[in-house]
Amino acid sequence: QSALTQPASVSGSPGQSITISCTGTSSDVGYYNFVSWYQQQQGKAPKLMIYEVSNRPSGVSNRFSGSKSGNTASLTISGLQAEDEADYYCSSYTRRSTYVFGTGTKVTVL
Amino acid sequence: QVQLVESGGDLVEPGGSLRLSCAASGFTFSGYSMTWVRQAPGKGLEWVAHIGSSGSPMNYADSVEGRFTISRDNAKNSLYLQMNSLRAEDTAVYYCARDGSATVDFDSWGQGTLVTVSS
Repeated sequence: QSALTQPASVSGSPGQSITISCTGTSSDVGYYNFVSWYQQQQGKAPKLMIYEVSNRPSGVSNRFSGSKSGNTASLTISGLQAEDEADYYCSSYTRRSTYVFGTGTKVTVL
Repeated sequence: QVQLVESGGDLVEPGGSLRLSCAASGFTFSGYSMTWVRQAPGKGLEWVAHIGSSGSPMNYADSVEGRFTISRDNAKNSLYLQMNSLRAEDTAVYYCARDGSATVDFDSWGQGTLVTVSS
């Protein structure tokens, strides 16, 4: 199972919006609406930010939003803040009843 | 408050075995599926294995199938990962994670335990 493809890095200035893409196949991202996104700050465990494509868990800022089109899912962070600087990973359930993570994206706030 | 605490990580030689544990508290453990995820030093997350709330089904990544076994003891609120025939590429921080109760995601994570495979 190959990892989902994400850009290695994305950057933006405070207050701007950025979007991270996550490209899979018709057997994972494209087949189910079971894409989730995780934030991992340096030296810490991952944290769930978006589940089932576009839903935010309680306590997650509404500056984070998710969407999907075909085999590509996206995470958008609006009103970028210094605290958003972290690594972000997408994940998808697959037709083989397994899960696959994305390659990860480092977000830098300029 | 959900708490997941991994233990058992160590330095082990190639070909050796290790058993990881994850102690769960703050929620009804028997009501949730559980997952192991690993992260090699400086690398991304890799899904390893998943187990249903009652002990089945169990699913594995191709990279560990036949070498690793996931299990749980609901009476002890504990999740396990038995790792055999360890390879250098298994070196990673291993996280246990709770699956969402009615959603497909990993909604809580432990802090991880480091496994190093080296001679």
